[in-house]
Amino acid sequence: SQQGEEDPQALSIQEGENATMNCSYKTSINNLQWYRQNSGRGLVHLILIRSNEREKHSGRLRVTLDTSKKSSSLLITASRAADTASYFCATSGGDSSYKLIFGSGTRLLVRP
Amino acid sequence: DGGITQSPKYLFRKEGQNVTLSCEQNLNHDAMYWYRQDPGQGLRLIYYSQIVNDFQKGDIAEGYSVSREKKESFPLTVTSAQKNPTAFYLCASSWAPGPNSPLHFGNGTRLTVT
Repeated sequence: SQQGEEDPQALSIQEGENATMNCSYKTSINNLQWYRQNSGRGLVHLILIRSNEREKHSGRLRVTLDTSKKSSSLLITASRAADTASYFCATSGGDSSYKLIFGSGTRLLVRP
Repeated sequence: DGGITQSPKYLFRKEGQNVTLSCEQNLNHDAMYWYRQDPGQGLRLIYYSQIVNDFQKGDIAEGYSVSREKKESFPLTVTSAQKNPTAFYLCASSWAPGPNSPLHFGNGTRLTVT
């Protein structure tokens, strides 16, 4: 069964704006990871946040984790056209501790 | 440059034929994975291998087979028993098995079966 679910399914913003996408999950986790996928390509790892962490930054990316609400958010600040991609959260934990389970993704379009 | 190479990028087969997708990595990673992606959906795990000569079924292993004879290679065979084989297949590796090692992905093989 699918663990993480992203929201919204699709997001369209103007270049320079911030983009926020959310991920909700159902069971306890070891960590939560965010990946980016450009059209027709493989996924690229962005950030891993552990269950005992609340916030993590990497360049223009900020990830938060709220284990009490079983949710995470990915914020991309000052977006660029090159940020256009699908973004996936992936979780591990519960009875699938050795496997990553991916959500269905948020498709982000950044208009120039 | 280190990375994961999947070949071919596009593959066309007739129904009833087995087909093997190649995945090679030169990252010296112990763990390797095969995922399937259908349009507009997330990734589903087919098989994974934590070490050479060992592999485990994922969530949708029926109709697929793998081998792990070398650390660098993890080929996936899509057999005629797989009912809906048309999909985008992604191979990944991580430096260690388990949830704390990020996955490195290849650029995928798009398989079309008619």
